[in-house]
Amino acid sequence: DARVTQTPRDKVTEMGQEVTMRCQPILGHNTVFWYRQTMMQGLELLAYFRNRAPLDDSGMPKDRFSAEMPDATLATLKIQPSEPRDSAVYFCASGLVPQGRGLNEQFFGPGTRLTVL
Amino acid sequence: GQQLNQSPQSMFIQEGEDVSMNCTSSSIFNTWLWYKQDPGEGPVLLIALYKAGELTSNGRLTAQFGITRKDSFLNISASIPSDVGIYFCAGHTFFFNKFYFGSGTKLNVKP
Repeated sequence: DARVTQTPRDKVTEMGQEVTMRCQPILGHNTVFWYRQTMMQGLELLAYFRNRAPLDDSGMPKDRFSAEMPDATLATLKIQPSEPRDSAVYFCASGLVPQGRGLNEQFFGPGTRLTVL
Repeated sequence: GQQLNQSPQSMFIQEGEDVSMNCTSSSIFNTWLWYKQDPGEGPVLLIALYKAGELTSNGRLTAQFGITRKDSFLNISASIPSDVGIYFCAGHTFFFNKFYFGSGTKLNVKP
């Protein structure tokens, strides 16, 4: 049963600390997405990658957030320095986009619940 | 920001009743997806729609891609307690090459 995995599931940290969230996409998927979910804003797309290349990170605060894919099996989202307003659930999702078609299905991981004190 | 309007925001129904929720967009979408999210979990894909007018079923769930490409609905027939959760629509547009999510419909089912 192929699934997207995310670590850690929960993270509590203090303001100013660096936070790194990790995601392992489903094997064979070529697109990875990072979302943030809050009660106020709902699901917001932060960034997405296709074939490990960043295609869009316009939803991400550039000064403190960074997203990378060191290899096809690992995506990371880093916040440095973290702030209380970053508290949210961060989801990773992966998908397989055939050549010549747009984004379609996405499969979500269980999320990382981040609390910044 | 989001371009999808999802309604209703929440529903309280009796077990066995049918449910309908919908999403409308100010612009054309090329793909519509419906997800369900349980507490503490990520959204799970229920149905994917790729063509205007397409009607697709997944068990007791049925979803349709509107003819205008600007709307989609999800129906749940004969609801059961495990249908409780938040249902999200999502649309993709080739033009902006982005995914947008609705704000969710919270479904409560009374046994």
